[in-house]
Amino acid sequence: NAGVTQTPKFQVLKTGQSMTLQCAQDMNHNSMYWYRQDPGMGLRLIYYSASEGTTDKGEVPNGYNVSRLNKREFSLRLESAAPSQTSVYFCASSHGGSGGDGYTFGSGTRLTVV
Amino acid sequence: KNQVEQSPQSLIILEGKNCTLQCNYTVSPFSNLRWYKQDTGRGPVSLTIMTFSENTKSNGRYTATLDADTKQSSLHITASQLSDSASYICVVTRYNFNKFYFGSGTKLNVKP
Repeated sequence: NAGVTQTPKFQVLKTGQSMTLQCAQDMNHNSMYWYRQDPGMGLRLIYYSASEGTTDKGEVPNGYNVSRLNKREFSLRLESAAPSQTSVYFCASSHGGSGGDGYTFGSGTRLTVV
Repeated sequence: KNQVEQSPQSLIILEGKNCTLQCNYTVSPFSNLRWYKQDTGRGPVSLTIMTFSENTKSNGRYTATLDADTKQSSLHITASQLSDSASYICVVTRYNFNKFYFGSGTKLNVKP
């Protein structure tokens, strides 16, 4: 099925550990995004990639790095996890930036940092 | 400041009843507004999109309205079903800036 695939679905890390969240889309979308969702705060943009080869910071980039490996894949890395990074992470993609096509979201990664 | 505010934060209704969710925004310049439905444990899924010139748009039992002058949108759900239990998120796109602004959502619980 066409869409956005995120792995893993669940992860528990110890403080200071590192990990990479993977995201892939098969819709030939140009733009990809990483969001985190915390209770009562809505979705907040961490990083985005408007097109292959470019990445830009969003609203809450500290503590994260990203790689747009190719047009399909956009990974999010936590170098040294902190409890404040406990959240649900969503990857999304869209054909364009501010156009009317909207997002397609992955099903999310629930991350707990202890 | 570009913001999107939704109300109420949460809502409980009985199956078969109607409800209306609100979204007010200050995002400018405005490009479009989307309503998303997010089931528990899943990513958001688009319900409808409203552009500047559209006042009303329906998608089955969901009807969205937009008043671009007052910068308000509503999502009306008719004859609610248990499967409507979800969070509903309003997202406003800022024209030409490649920026999307999310509301914090309304959590709807439909009880039998």
